[in-house]
Amino acid sequence: AQSVTQLGSHVSVSEGALVLLRCNYSSSVPPYLFWYVQYPNQGLQLLLKYTTGATLVKGINGFEAEFKKSETSFHLTKPSAHMSDAAEYFCAVKWGGSQGILIFGKGTKLSVKP
Amino acid sequence: DADVTQTPRNRITKTGKRIMLECSQTKGHDRMYWYRQDPGLGLRLIYYSFDVKDINKGEISDGYSVSRQAQAKFSLSLESAIPNQTALYFCATSDMAESSTDTQYFGPGTRLTVL
Repeated sequence: AQSVTQLGSHVSVSEGALVLLRCNYSSSVPPYLFWYVQYPNQGLQLLLKYTTGATLVKGINGFEAEFKKSETSFHLTKPSAHMSDAAEYFCAVKWGGSQGILIFGKGTKLSVKP
Repeated sequence: DADVTQTPRNRITKTGKRIMLECSQTKGHDRMYWYRQDPGLGLRLIYYSFDVKDINKGEISDGYSVSRQAQAKFSLSLESAIPNQTALYFCATSDMAESSTDTQYFGPGTRLTVL
């Protein structure tokens, strides 16, 4: 079965440090790729997505992700963490075209230390 | 006003009770989804509906049922609640016109506790 793996259920960084959250998917067929963010006591909101075209995708709040087909990865990065980035981040993939559904990873909780 | 609303936001119930969670949207989207979130397990799809007359089971539909009363309303029912259905439940919507990319918009969630 197709799957999404997020390495590290918990990542802690210092304010101002690089944020790197990892996501790998299982199929050699490139899917559509998404990162969602969930702030405490809220629903999920889209951070960024890759569908076609440029493999480096920029999202909101200074985040970006790069689609690497050869590595079946879509890692999320931000050069300098801010306290307000503390949240849970979910990678999601979609296969199957218009009838496909999203498959979510298990999430990575990001903590930012002052 | 929020585009996707869920009621109730919190609910505590007892084993064996029937519970309905409701979702309404003003985004005009065709597609609606119900997920549950458990710590360490991410989001898992319970049911989804691509249209008022189209209902599909997701990964974990056992013990749940749904009703799509209108394009804007999608309800999730637990016929006989059990403690392992204690979770955070999310409704989401997406636009068929964007079906290839399927950006989903989430409600604020319903926290359900089954004692």
